[in-house]
Amino acid sequence: DQQVKQNSPSLSVQEGRISILNCDYTNSMFDYFLWYKKYPAEGPTFLISISSIKDKNEDGRFTVFLNKSAKHLSLHIVPSQPGDSAVYFCAASAGLFTGANSKLTFGKGITLSVRP
Amino acid sequence: GAGVSQSPSNKVTEKGKDVELRCDPISGHTALYWYRQSLGQGLEFLIYFQGNSAPDKSGLPSDRFSAERTGGSVSTLTIQRTQQEDSAVYLCASSLGLFQNTEAFFGQGTRLTVV
Repeated sequence: DQQVKQNSPSLSVQEGRISILNCDYTNSMFDYFLWYKKYPAEGPTFLISISSIKDKNEDGRFTVFLNKSAKHLSLHIVPSQPGDSAVYFCAASAGLFTGANSKLTFGKGITLSVRP
Repeated sequence: GAGVSQSPSNKVTEKGKDVELRCDPISGHTALYWYRQSLGQGLEFLIYFQGNSAPDKSGLPSDRFSAERTGGSVSTLTIQRTQQEDSAVYLCASSLGLFQNTEAFFGQGTRLTVV
């Protein structure tokens, strides 16, 4: 049973436009959410995160939105650039506020292609 | 080094042989994770260490898979009697532990091919 779902396997956008990558989760115990970016032949690299007490976190061109009631988060990239072309993984964990560290559960990833 | 280091970067082995994959986490990171990514699949959790103990090894696919961590640092993932379905990229990550559920930093992975 997949607890973190990225239902769209791929997304293609024009350079300069907005990219919206979606992620849904089922485990209500998740309280910390992260996005990772992965280029071919490299390990994933951390992009941005959000805790469950917030509904938005922004870092430059990247913004993550969290809708706890819908168990949904999204990553917005504005403006999109060709160098953003990569696989984006959504991840979640539980225990941020209880002090209990736990594993990260990942989605299957979305391949973003930004066309010049 | 400053990042998570994995070795070897590539490993080709014959079916039925044992393999060992090594991970050197970032110094001071007490949490260490092993994941694998099969072709066309997402990141599959295998095992997680907090210090030298493994609170969660629920993702190990079979008893052919084992992992250990010594000195709260280096970890080794061992796959015995490898099968073709074990072919994947094995990723290791580390993070600050226990009260800091922060982002995990990944190594570049070991690409395992079982022929």
